[in-house]
Amino acid sequence: DTAVSQTPKYLVTQMGNDKSIKCEQNLGHDTMYWYKQDSKKFLKIMFSYNNKELIINETVPNRFSPKSPDKAHLNLHINSLELGDSAVYFCASSHQGLLYEQYFGPGTRLTVT
Amino acid sequence: GQNIDQPTEMTATEGAIVQINCTYQTSGFNGLFWYQQHAGEAPTFLSYNVLDGLEEKGRFSSFLSRSKGYSYLLLKELQMKDSASYLCAVRQAGTALIFGKGTTLSVSS
Repeated sequence: DTAVSQTPKYLVTQMGNDKSIKCEQNLGHDTMYWYKQDSKKFLKIMFSYNNKELIINETVPNRFSPKSPDKAHLNLHINSLELGDSAVYFCASSHQGLLYEQYFGPGTRLTVT
Repeated sequence: GQNIDQPTEMTATEGAIVQINCTYQTSGFNGLFWYQQHAGEAPTFLSYNVLDGLEEKGRFSSFLSRSKGYSYLLLKELQMKDSASYLCAVRQAGTALIFGKGTTLSVSS
């Protein structure tokens, strides 16, 4: 299926741990994003990559480090997890350019205990 | 600064028409998007406006007035499956979207 996929779908971990979330798209897009959706359902941009280059880095703690090994993949590594990191993290992708909509992955629900 | 406002909740009945408003004040503007998000699922694209006026796609229409910083999403012939959150988002410079907090629409029979 053509889509944006993320793994894992659910992630439960303890404070202080390091974890990664993986994202892959097979839509041929050249721009990928990470969004965070908090408990109040507010969806907020974290990072954006275009052709493996970081183009947007919002005010996100440097415990969060995105990595794009190629145009089809954008992974998110989180160090020293905190309770406030609990949220749903969505990966998205689009063609470059202002006219194109973004396609979202199914989300990864991260719970930090 | 940037601010995108939409009502938190709305209710409607099957077969009715509902209009979800969105007002925005952003430091840049390169288009306004509407997304639908069912509980526990990913947002899915509904419509996009970059010029003033009405865009129609089946039961869904979206309107934009850039001078007023205003958009609305119009849903006609409501169905139970339309119960979802509707997210208004503005594209500033670059390609990332700035989202409003969403409007939860409940459709009853």
